[in-house]
Amino acid sequence: NAGVTQTPKFRVLKTGQSMTLLCAQDMNHEYMYWYRQDPGMGLRLIHYSVGEGTTAKGEVPDGYNVSRLKKQNFLLGLESAAPSQTSVYFCASTLGTSGANVLTFGAGSRLTVL
Amino acid sequence: QQQVKQSPQSLIVQKGGISIINCAYENTAFDYFPWYQQFPGKGPALLIAIRPDVSEKKEGRFTISFNKSAKQFSLHIMDSQPGDSATYFCAASALIKAAGNKLTFGGGTRVLVKP
Repeated sequence: NAGVTQTPKFRVLKTGQSMTLLCAQDMNHEYMYWYRQDPGMGLRLIHYSVGEGTTAKGEVPDGYNVSRLKKQNFLLGLESAAPSQTSVYFCASTLGTSGANVLTFGAGSRLTVL
Repeated sequence: QQQVKQSPQSLIVQKGGISIINCAYENTAFDYFPWYQQFPGKGPALLIAIRPDVSEKKEGRFTISFNKSAKQFSLHIMDSQPGDSATYFCAASALIKAAGNKLTFGGGTRVLVKP
């Protein structure tokens, strides 16, 4: 049982380059999320999805796009990377039924934008 | 503007001591308050959670205390062990399915337990 898998784990980009982070979960979870983690800022929600084919903006969506074409995958795209997007990105998922919202996180993707 | 404020940012405690982390929230619609634990190089993992209908929840050496009127909650780690050294995040959400049950996290507290 792999849980939540993020690829790549590390990436270095130059300003203006584009890239896509892939999140895959094998738990049949309905809800998926992308967070970024910065020192002292905790985890801030970028975008989320409540089901296949749906996406919604979170707290810090500017400069990012997402897609959820398949239930098990949630892609995070950076169209034109900026140094301010240097961060550790975490994908998470949850079943989505009523009750406690227990998130299962991936191991993170460290992105550096030069 | 952070809706969940966490303090302190870092904490050093001796083995066997008590670690206390505090969080305050603003949104009165929040009705679920989890704590997540994160080890270096790993993603956060749920440690313990509480709903506002109880004032305290204990699981092993970890206890959440909740004060609804003050809009504050805290994590106590009793008999702290070196293996507890990690970053701890408080969080809050309003469990509304249509809104995605989004969690809002505090800034995190790095705890170091010295042997």
